Amino acid sequence: EADIYQTPRYLVIGTGKKITLECSQTMGHDKMYWYQQDPGMELHLIHYSYGVNSTEKGDLSSESTVSRIRTEHFPLTLESARPSHTSQYLCASSPNGGGGYTFGSGTRLTVV
Amino acid sequence: KNEVEQSPQNLTAQEGEFITINCSYSVGISALHWLQQHPGGGIVSLFMLSSGKKKHGRLIATINIQEKHSSLHITASHPRDSAVYICAVRRNSGAGSYQLTFGKGTKLSVIP
Repeated sequence: EADIYQTPRYLVIGTGKKITLECSQTMGHDKMYWYQQDPGMELHLIHYSYGVNSTEKGDLSSESTVSRIRTEHFPLTLESARPSHTSQYLCASSPNGGGGYTFGSGTRLTVV
Repeated sequence: KNEVEQSPQNLTAQEGEFITINCSYSVGISALHWLQQHPGGGIVSLFMLSSGKKKHGRLIATINIQEKHSSLHITASHPRDSAVYICAVRRNSGAGSYQLTFGKGTKLSVIP
């Protein structure tokens, strides 16, 4: 079944740790996105990719980085986590030609 | 002023009521999405519209391109419809034309 998978679902981690949030999709979509969402607030785009070896920063400044070495995989990395990074991170993908978006279940990150 | 405005922000309804959530936008778009986000955080895509009306089960979405307005209707509401409903638009030109701009969401609570 075509889908998009995010791991971990929840993560509590100490300040200064390096973390990688995983996102994989099985639909062969070229476009992938990372959104950040604080509780009760709207989603903000932090990174996107239009294909392998393509990555761009989104509207919301973020200290995280991303990579796109394979079509299906779009991981997000924080080199040194801080409490200000506490948020929900949602991954999504969409096909070329402007089709519908598919969202992952999100990773709820808490940095203590 | 946000490019995507939703109303109401919060909505409480009795089970069985007919519900309408509104979305207005101020930019030219190629498509409008209605999304559903449950308390767990994951997002499900309900509709993608570029014109007219779509129906899926008890959900109906309409869009008026000239008036830059869309509505999401839920007939015979049920407690399981309780969620945040998010309107998002994809611009039809310029930088970021594949990206979504999100409204703040409408939190719906359906009481038995």
